[in-house]
Amino acid sequence: IAGITQAPTSQILAAGRRMTLRCTQDMRHNAMYWYRQDLGLGLRLIHYSNTAGTTGKGEVPDGYSVSRANTDDFPLTLASAVPSQTSVYFCASSDALAGYNEQFFGPGTRLTVL
Amino acid sequence: GQNIDQPTEMTATEGAIVQINCTYQTSGFNGLFWYQQHAGEAPTFLSYNVLDGLEEKGRFSSFLSRSKGYSYLLLKELQMKDSASYLCAVRDSNYQLIWGAGTKLIIKP
Repeated sequence: IAGITQAPTSQILAAGRRMTLRCTQDMRHNAMYWYRQDLGLGLRLIHYSNTAGTTGKGEVPDGYSVSRANTDDFPLTLASAVPSQTSVYFCASSDALAGYNEQFFGPGTRLTVL
Repeated sequence: GQNIDQPTEMTATEGAIVQINCTYQTSGFNGLFWYQQHAGEAPTFLSYNVLDGLEEKGRFSSFLSRSKGYSYLLLKELQMKDSASYLCAVRDSNYQLIWGAGTKLIIKP
């Protein structure tokens, strides 16, 4: 693989179900991020990880959890999905926090909660 | 609060020049990014400004004025493939990106 992969590509989920969105990068980037993108709104940060073993809350963390057991993987879990979590989810990574270090994005997961 | 403002939609003609503006109010400033996002795809990096002035990259240029909280992205010699959304993002004092809602650019022949 090259870059960032996300799985699944899309998913329809019943409300109340548990769901894990997977994200894997092979660029050995330290920092990883989960965003949601909704029509008419900018990308909103859900959770982030500055380095393996650490995580932090973003702008909209409620209802979501993450873990960062190693450098490459950063799964996002919805413990009990609700319809307001219907969105496109993007995982991203960057080599470092500062300087000319842009974020690279995965292809996204389109999630529909019914 | 933190705020990034961009026009929702712009239309331009193939071969012409278009300027997309972005104004921001954030807690701290550690650089401004422009990304391009085609419909149904992931955002991809276009440019980065941290000092005042113009950064040029081929057909694309980006300008920053920190004192005015203002940036623009200039696209020259527009091509049909430039039809996309353009996202402005500011890295704040916590080194997190705050994103605008994006400007949808429609190119007409």
